[in-house]
Amino acid sequence: DTGVSQDPRHKITKRGQNVTFRCDPISEHNRLYWYRQTLGQGPEFLTYFQNEAQLEKSRLLSDRFSAERPKGSFSTLEIQRTEQGDSAMYLCASSRNDRGPRETQYFGPGTRLLVL
Amino acid sequence: RKEVEQDPGPFNVPEGATVAFNCTYSNSASQSFFWYRQDCRKEPKLLMSVYSSGNEDGRFTAQLNRASQYISLLIRDSKLSDSATYLCVVNGASGGSYIPTFGRGTSLIVHP
Repeated sequence: DTGVSQDPRHKITKRGQNVTFRCDPISEHNRLYWYRQTLGQGPEFLTYFQNEAQLEKSRLLSDRFSAERPKGSFSTLEIQRTEQGDSAMYLCASSRNDRGPRETQYFGPGTRLLVL
Repeated sequence: RKEVEQDPGPFNVPEGATVAFNCTYSNSASQSFFWYRQDCRKEPKLLMSVYSSGNEDGRFTAQLNRASQYISLLIRDSKLSDSATYLCVVNGASGGSYIPTFGRGTSLIVHP
């Protein structure tokens, strides 16, 4: 399977714990995006990388959220001191930026987080 | 006003019907537009890009009206398998980056 993969697919944690999610993009894609999706809403943009550079992070929900892509391949999204309001689906997408604003994003299956 | 607005529906239509969805956006500098489809508890998948001249892919037709800042999706001859949530996506420039903004989605239910 050469699509976008995410791990874990499901995560249950207690309030106050830290969680980390991983995303492996399609291999030739240099852009990687993170989104959060809650029930009944569309995906909400959080941040994105071009290669290893994080080009936009002002939309991260709070300073408890951080993302890395150290070698320009896989990425991690960390949430520190989780809160019940962080319960959501976290989606990763990748793309090639060779078409400017018309680039197509391919989504992974998501990580569903439940904070108790 | 939200950046991208969609009627959440649900639109409940019989097989064979024609159904149309609209999506309005607030940023007049938006660069590109897409429709994605999302099945229940699955990831979004690109349905089609939307061009100023309008574009068609089989039973699906997308239109862009920049003057009124809306895009539309028309589905002809609806199939049961078209039942899903349809997400409108608008790419807007922000400091040299393109930030995709999704609408909340419009739910379509096609019944026999």
